[in-house]
Amino acid sequence: EPEVTQTPSHQVTQMGQEVILRCVPISNHLYFYWYRQILGQKVEFLVSFYNNEISEKSEIFDDQFSVERPDGSNFTLKIRSTKLEDSAMYFCASSPGPPNTEAFFGQGTRLTVV
Amino acid sequence: AQKITQTQPGMFVQEKEAVTLDCTYDTSDPSYGLFWYKQPSSGEMIFLIYQGSYDQQNATEGRYSLNFQKARKSANLVISASQLGDSAMYFCAMREARSNDYKLSFGAGTTVTVRA
Repeated sequence: EPEVTQTPSHQVTQMGQEVILRCVPISNHLYFYWYRQILGQKVEFLVSFYNNEISEKSEIFDDQFSVERPDGSNFTLKIRSTKLEDSAMYFCASSPGPPNTEAFFGQGTRLTVV
Repeated sequence: AQKITQTQPGMFVQEKEAVTLDCTYDTSDPSYGLFWYKQPSSGEMIFLIYQGSYDQQNATEGRYSLNFQKARKSANLVISASQLGDSAMYFCAMREARSNDYKLSFGAGTTVTVRA
């Protein structure tokens, strides 16, 4: 069964460093998302991507964040100059689009900023 | 304003019994979808069940069923015949049709612990 894959599963980084979280969405899906879950809290929407551009972003997704789909298969989230409060689980998800709008989630990347 | 409200932070259930997880939602969009996800301690998000706002019947998937009460704006998840492996966090989420990108808004989650 096709699945969304994320790498790495866990990343530890120094405060101020840049990190790139990688995702391979399901191949025929059209919509891609990043969500964030701070430990013990709810899952929060960060950004959606469709037709090679950002479709919508939340207030969390400030200039520190960027997304790319560099080669038609990978979908990356870059966090510049990480802060302690960026520590969270980051989920990538993809959706085929209408009429089926179920989002399929990857297993997540746990980011720890020290 | 919260779009999804889950009022039960944690619940205990005896193995083989049924448990109902509450979810209420808020939207003015006539077209929307409601989802339930399971998050075990390993962290991944597992899709369980989906209910569309225009669906006439309550959704069912194996031991999972969704008690959809549109007038009350509630979409409670019922897990029947609980198993130890059902111990996890459960999230209710909503997608509104006016959101062109079909993003999900999540509730705070309910932790379910199944006792042997």
